[in-house]
Amino acid sequence: QVQLVESGGGLVKPGGSLRLSCAASGFSFSDHYMSWVRQAPGKGLDWLSYISSSGTNFLYYADSVKGRFTISRDNTKNSLYLQMNSLRAEDTAVYYCARVSVDGAFYFDYWGQGALVTVSS
Amino acid sequence: EIVMTQSPATLSVSPGERATLSCRASQSVSINLAWYQQKPGQAPRLLIYRASARATGIPARFSGSGSGTEFTLTISSLQSEDFAVYYCQQYNKWPPLAFGGGTKVEIK
Repeated sequence: QVQLVESGGGLVKPGGSLRLSCAASGFSFSDHYMSWVRQAPGKGLDWLSYISSSGTNFLYYADSVKGRFTISRDNTKNSLYLQMNSLRAEDTAVYYCARVSVDGAFYFDYWGQGALVTVSS
Repeated sequence: EIVMTQSPATLSVSPGERATLSCRASQSVSINLAWYQQKPGQAPRLLIYRASARATGIPARFSGSGSGTEFTLTISSLQSEDFAVYYCQQYNKWPPLAFGGGTKVEIK
């Protein structure tokens, strides 16, 4: 079955960096667009970024993370990444990787369990 | 940028009763709207896409309707496992993708 497993979360100081990974299994990873969505404590869902199936084009970011976060993927490793730089307290959240729907429309049919990122001094 | 507004913020319903949740878009999103369910400590789960199509494995008591700017998620007879937070999301025009603020369905 489809599985998405995030890792790499943790505690980081303001201004620091962190790299999240998402290991995918149970489907043809290279056929799917992927995305990152976050959820601050007690808040709603906040879309961050998309990447195309090939990873070479079609990269989009929310304004809140543009220039600080970079999405990437390695289809040989069935993995999605989010490099987060210049982290701020307001980036504290659970970060989910999510698979774009099998029909290519930009909703999410599978989600990982999430990785908690805490930005605090 | 499209803004999604959900109402009410909290809905108190007794088990077995019907729940009706609303989602409004600031401009037309056609039928490009999805609904998700999220339980405490869990990831969101896709319920409805294309405004009214149920995702795989979703019970028939969940139904979606609407088009343009007004959408509704109906749970026909609430079960104990349905008490959760529900989010709508438009995917008609992006970036950015937009989620609504959520409706919490709680036990009355």
